[in-house]
Amino acid sequence: GNSVTQMEGPVTLSEEAFLTINCTYTATGYPSLFWYVQYPGEGLQLLLKATKADDKGSNKGFEATYRKETTSFHLEKGSVQVSDSAVYFCALSNTGGFKTIFGAGTRLFVKA
Amino acid sequence: GAGVSQTPSNKVTEKGKYVELRCDPISGHTALYWYRQSLGQGPEFLIYFQGTGAADDSGLPNDRFFAVRPEGSVSTLKIQRTERGDSAVYLCASSLKGGEGEAFFGQGTRLTVV
Repeated sequence: GNSVTQMEGPVTLSEEAFLTINCTYTATGYPSLFWYVQYPGEGLQLLLKATKADDKGSNKGFEATYRKETTSFHLEKGSVQVSDSAVYFCALSNTGGFKTIFGAGTRLFVKA
Repeated sequence: GAGVSQTPSNKVTEKGKYVELRCDPISGHTALYWYRQSLGQGPEFLIYFQGTGAADDSGLPNDRFFAVRPEGSVSTLKIQRTERGDSAVYLCASSLKGGEGEAFFGQGTRLTVV
């Protein structure tokens, strides 16, 4: 069945450091891929998405590229801020589907 | 309302009791989803409503769990004979239409079964 695997946390970085959170997936067909973020005390929010191979999703300085050949969707940001401290979830959904499969989440701490 | 509203935000109940968790989706959103998030895990799909009907309830773990959405807006997740393993955060999300557009999540109900 479909599944998502993402790197375990927590990840601790200093402000302005480069961030990578790895995500790989297993799926039939051609799923859409997502990154969600959960800030402390808030609900899950969609951060970015990509719907087909080689698409790049981007938002708030974060980006991720849909790599079908490596079944990956790694999240990157060139310079993190303290305000980026949150839990990040990689997820997939089959085309036209509604049942989103989430990874276990990666907690990011950014120190000033 | 402005976002997806879930009540209560916290619920503590005794093993064997019945609980109801409420979700008030964004006005006009026809699709509604329930997820369960255990500690240290990502959300796990439970059920999806398109309008009033449950289009997919394949994620409900057993027949103690049931959800309704009688008028196509507010939904209630019902858990009978609660067990300690039911303790989790129950998340609700809604979107304009199932399978399309962004799903907006509520802050969840933290259920603790003691």
